Amino acid sequence: DGGITQSPKYLFRKEGQNVTLSCEQNLNHDAMYWYRQDPGQGLRLIYYSQIVNDFQKGDIAEGYSVSREKKESFPLTVTSAQKNPTAFYLCASTSNREFMFFGPGTRLTVL
Amino acid sequence: QKEVEQDPGPLSVPEGAIVSLNCTYSNSAFQYFMWYRQYSRKGPELLMYTYSSGNKEDGRFTAQVDKSSKYISLFIRDSQPSDSATYLCAMSRGNEKLTFGTGTRLTIIP
Repeated sequence: DGGITQSPKYLFRKEGQNVTLSCEQNLNHDAMYWYRQDPGQGLRLIYYSQIVNDFQKGDIAEGYSVSREKKESFPLTVTSAQKNPTAFYLCASTSNREFMFFGPGTRLTVL
Repeated sequence: QKEVEQDPGPLSVPEGAIVSLNCTYSNSAFQYFMWYRQYSRKGPELLMYTYSSGNKEDGRFTAQVDKSSKYISLFIRDSQPSDSATYLCAMSRGNEKLTFGTGTRLTIIP
């Protein structure tokens, strides 16, 4: 089955710790995205990548980093510089103006 | 002012009622309009897609776009408890980047 997988489903981080969220897609999509979702604020774009080895900052990139070494993979690192990281993180992908598909999400909680 | 405005609700209606969900937007360059449904603790799933102005119907769902008023709507007929979810509108100029509304939380009461 084609789709987007995200892992882990739930993640707990201690203060000062970096954590990496995984996103893999087998849809052969060129573009991949990371969104953050907070109650009452909708989806906010963190980073996006339209091609391998290239990525751009979204609206709220501070405290986050990404890499795009393979077309299928777009991991997101939440660094200790992100002061309020508790949120629901969604990975998505599109190709040539096709519809945006989302993964199941990762819920990150800071302890 | 946000580019896309959506009433967050919550909205509660009895089973079988017609539901109307709406978004307004300010960017006249938007051409592609989408509605996503998101169940609790899940990723959004595409429900309806419309290009430019007009109506599109799919089963119990109808999407309307009025570009002159910068207003889009999603109608759900014969609403079911399984329709209880958050509904997100989204739109783009066609460059793949979507701009989302904040989402409306809908509850269908049996």
